[in-house]
Amino acid sequence: GQQLNQSPQSMFIQEGEDVSMNCTSSSIFNTWLWYKQDPGEGPVLLIALYKAGELTSNGRLTAQFGITRKDSFLNISASIPSDVGIYFCAAYQGGSEKLVFGKGTKLTVNP
Amino acid sequence: GAVVSQHPSWVICKSGTSVKIECRSLDFQATTMFWYRQFPKQSLMLMATSNEGSKATYEQGVEKDKFLINHASLTLSTLTVTSAHPEDSSFYICSAPGASGSLRAQYFGPGTRLLVL
Repeated sequence: GQQLNQSPQSMFIQEGEDVSMNCTSSSIFNTWLWYKQDPGEGPVLLIALYKAGELTSNGRLTAQFGITRKDSFLNISASIPSDVGIYFCAAYQGGSEKLVFGKGTKLTVNP
Repeated sequence: GAVVSQHPSWVICKSGTSVKIECRSLDFQATTMFWYRQFPKQSLMLMATSNEGSKATYEQGVEKDKFLINHASLTLSTLTVTSAHPEDSSFYICSAPGASGSLRAQYFGPGTRLLVL
């Protein structure tokens, strides 16, 4: 099925560093969502984006809805050990209630 | 935010038995819920859309007789894995759309780990 191209697949960083990950697609989406999943848990919604060009922050997290509506990025500033986990982008297309997912970015933060 | 619960959080069963997983929206109503399956180190795979008061819609390749879905109320959907086999072992996650006006998001349960021996 249709998927979002999420990169990088994994990241190994030092505590305090900034992190950036993104999702792209050849299709247009009208809502972008970013989730974090800890091991053995369900995904938790971090940020929701609803307008092209929108830039939204949630604490140290900042995400943007690309102006072309085909991409989105998530930045994490000043990473801390509890940021470890898998980050997924997801998006809605048109009026569908089904989410399309990226394959995830696994983040490891070294203290 | 919207809270979705799942029960049980984990289950171990013998091959050939059936297992029921519950998904509840705790502080909102959901006419639609979704069931996903997740394999290790992979993204979520949509199995089916659960519709309150009507039949579920299954994704291509998902056996509807194997994975029975019932959405009997606006806050509860159940997934029953019938005649479970070891290859059904997986992490099952449900979700429900929550909406504030026209703004959409989807909220996930904590997941159920199924191990079939």
